[in-house]
Amino acid sequence: NAGVTQTPKFQVLKTGQSMTLQCAQDMNHNSMYWYRQDPGMGLRLIYYSASEGTTDKGEVPNGYNVSRLNKREFSLRLESAAPSQTSVYFCASSEQGSTGELFFGEGSRLTVL
Amino acid sequence: GEDVEQSLFLSVREGDSSVINCTYTDSSSTYLYWYKQEPGAGLQLLTYIFSNMDMKQDQRLTVLLNKKDKHLSLRIADTQTGDSAIYFCAETTGGSYIPTFGRGTSLIVHP
Repeated sequence: NAGVTQTPKFQVLKTGQSMTLQCAQDMNHNSMYWYRQDPGMGLRLIYYSASEGTTDKGEVPNGYNVSRLNKREFSLRLESAAPSQTSVYFCASSEQGSTGELFFGEGSRLTVL
Repeated sequence: GEDVEQSLFLSVREGDSSVINCTYTDSSSTYLYWYKQEPGAGLQLLTYIFSNMDMKQDQRLTVLLNKKDKHLSLRIADTQTGDSAIYFCAETTGGSYIPTFGRGTSLIVHP
């Protein structure tokens, strides 16, 4: 049972380049999330998807887009990367109606030069 | 101000108890959580407490909830070097199933 799988684990981009972070979960969860983690800032929610076919903005959505491709997959796209988007990105999933526990992937470390 | 606040660092000696504190502002909290993040890894749920409970104990872990003061603590007994990690406090409230996280407390355990 893999849980939440993110790819790639590491990526270096130049300013203005685009890329997509992929996330897949095999727990049949309805809800999925993208967070970014920066030193001293904790976790900040970028976008979330309550269920297949829906997406909503979180705390810091500017510069990002998301796609809930199906129940398993939730991707995060940077259309024109900026140095301020250098961060560690985490995907998570959860089942609504339970204790609300989030299951996290191992993270994707992105550096924008 | 922040919804969930934690101090950023805690240093303890191996074998001592660690107490990590958290304060929150929303009185309609339903669940409060402690997540652990080891270096280079994602967060994993360590324990949680429902808002109608005052205390929860699980082996070396004790969670205390003071609803009047909106204060949550995590006590780790007999702290080991393997407990070195970042610990995040989080809450969900009646209005949302999405947890709000604190900034995390880095626990450093030295011999």
